[in-house]
Order: sequence, then C-alpha cells, then structure tokens
Amino acid sequence: QLQLQESGPGLVKPSETLSLTCSVSGGSISSGSYYWGWIRQPPGMGLHWVGSIFSTGNTYYNSSVKSRVTISVDTSKNQFSLRLTSMTASDTAVYYCARHSSTGTRADYWGPGALVTVSS
Amino acid sequence: QSALTQPASVSGSPGQSITISCTGTSSDIGGYNYVSWYQQHPGKAPKLIIYEVSIRPSGVSNRFSGSKSGNTASLTISGLQAEDEADYYCNSYTSSSTLVVFGGGTKLTVL
Repeated sequence: QLQLQESGPGLVKPSETLSLTCSVSGGSISSGSYYWGWIRQPPGMGLHWVGSIFSTGNTYYNSSVKSRVTISVDTSKNQFSLRLTSMTASDTAVYYCARHSSTGTRADYWGPGALVTVSS
Repeated sequence: QSALTQPASVSGSPGQSITISCTGTSSDIGGYNYVSWYQQHPGKAPKLIIYEVSIRPSGVSNRFSGSKSGNTASLTISGLQAEDEADYYCNSYTSSSTLVVFGGGTKLTVL
C-alpha cells in the first residue's frame, strides 16, 4: 500500500522560504506514469494545486505561484520536495503531497497533510 | 476565487439522493473528460471518489456516481448515509496556464 508523508517546519516567518519534503513508501516514485504533486488548503477554505513533478524531473506549476516555487525529486530517497520563497500570511495552509495522473486529476494517494503557519 | 463553481452547501435526509454540480468552461470541464471528485472529512486528507468524469476507484461505494454535460460536471450520492457528511471537491484538467483547477468545495449535511 503506497503511503505518503509530509515533513517540514510548522512555522515560517514572513519573507522566508518554506521547504517541505514528501516521503513515499510502499512503492517507487519512479514507477508508472504518475506525477507527484503539492496541493494546499488555507484554513477553512478549499483546495489549490501548487505544482507537480514527474520522476524524470519534468515539472509544472500553478501560474499564481510560479515565480516563487520549485519542486524537485530525489529518486534515490524516494522523496520529492517543495520550496516556496517569499512566504506571506496568505501562504498559511495545510500542505498535502499526492500522487496523480498526468492530467493533474485522479489524485489517488495523499499524505495526511502538514500545517504551515506564516507568522513572525 | 476558485476556477470551478460549486454550491457552497447541499443537504439531504438519510436514504435520499443529492447532486452536487461543478461548473467550468470549455477550457476545462467542457473540453476534456478529466474531471475528478474528492470527499474530505474534517481534519483528513481528501479521498478520490470519482475520476475521468464517472469512474469509481476500487473500494468506493457504488452509491457515488459522476456525469458531465457541457461545461458542468455532477456528483450524485444515492441512499445518503450519515458518513457521507463531508466536503466535496471537483477538479479538472485545464488548457490554461494553471493546468489543474479545483472547485471551491461543497459542504454536504445529512439531516
């Protein structure tokens, strides 16, 4: 059974950079035609796709954060990571990592989520 | 503001059927059969319940069904049960630079 787990700081100061890692177990991040993505959910609000990566390193990002986001993959560790710069209060959210199809839909495995709060 | 429009809330009594709509444009829902639906209980990660408009993943109850007409996708839950009370989100592939869009979510209350 595939499992995903987010890890990273729960508190980030304004203007600083967020780094989150998603560890994948129970299967290889390199197998199949899947993408590995980050989706966030501000408190009490809806889901917003941030960006995704294929095992080869091919990435695509939501245009709303494209200038601030980098997603990378480490196949040797079976992990992928999110880096979001210039954090503001509006970036406060639960960040989920998930596996999905190449169309960005069909996200069939999700991590439990990591709450990231932006505050000084 | 979400790219896909869902009603903020719907409600129904146990045993009844409800339908949640998800309206987009010809650049997303209307142009592709890549619509998914997710169920999210409070404090939990979303769970995939429908993909490619109408396909149920293994293990998902056949009380959940999906359809699409034009720019609007729909999720129908039949035989409502208390455990169905949750938030439901649609999402779609889009040809815009955003690539993936979600609906704003619909809170289902089982009366």
